[in-house]
Amino acid sequence: QKEVEQDPGPLSVPEGAIVSLNCTYSNSAFQYFMWYRQYSRKGPELLMYTYSSGNKEDGRFTAQVDKSSKYISLFIRDSQPSDSATYLCAMSRYNTDKLIFGTGTRLQVFP
Amino acid sequence: GAGVSQSPSNKVTEKGKDVELRCDPISGHTALYWYRQSLGQGLEFLIYFQGNSAPDKSGLPSDRFSAERTGGSVSTLTIQRTQQEDSAVYLCASRQLQGRGNTEAFFGQGTRLTVV
Repeated sequence: QKEVEQDPGPLSVPEGAIVSLNCTYSNSAFQYFMWYRQYSRKGPELLMYTYSSGNKEDGRFTAQVDKSSKYISLFIRDSQPSDSATYLCAMSRYNTDKLIFGTGTRLQVFP
Repeated sequence: GAGVSQSPSNKVTEKGKDVELRCDPISGHTALYWYRQSLGQGLEFLIYFQGNSAPDKSGLPSDRFSAERTGGSVSTLTIQRTQQEDSAVYLCASRQLQGRGNTEAFFGQGTRLTVV
């Protein structure tokens, strides 16, 4: 079993929809949780970061962490075609630790 | 530089040959990571450098893989006697570590390696 599980999709939604992406994990030592966005043939770029449990909002994006369930989510409101990309969750035990990534969910937002 | 730079961007090599992949991190970033991304897969951790030392090399898949970092800056990932299963995108990331807080890991564009 992988440490971090993520549905690979693809997920196809119409423009303006609310998108929900999520990951589950098995290692209770993870404390730092991140979401990266990766466009085709590009390196991943950080979207959201959360420490421990709780919610964090940044514009159209909301990240949620539920450590009791070992479950993290990313919500995208008012999705745009430019949001079409692969979304990778990542987590680590402490701030200097390696990041462990999910397989990524491919999202397509159609006009 | 402005970002993490990797070279070459693409590399095609024959099975059995050795290859070297280079990573120039963001100036001043003490932490450097190598990852591998195969088609349709997430990022697989290979090795982590703090300065010139590698406290975690647990992800290197075999002894054909090695990496070094000199001067706390440039890093080279070497794959000896390449195999077709080594074909993947090799990504490098750097990070400035600050106390207990989290800092962003910045990724390069990757080197796309194809072994034929």
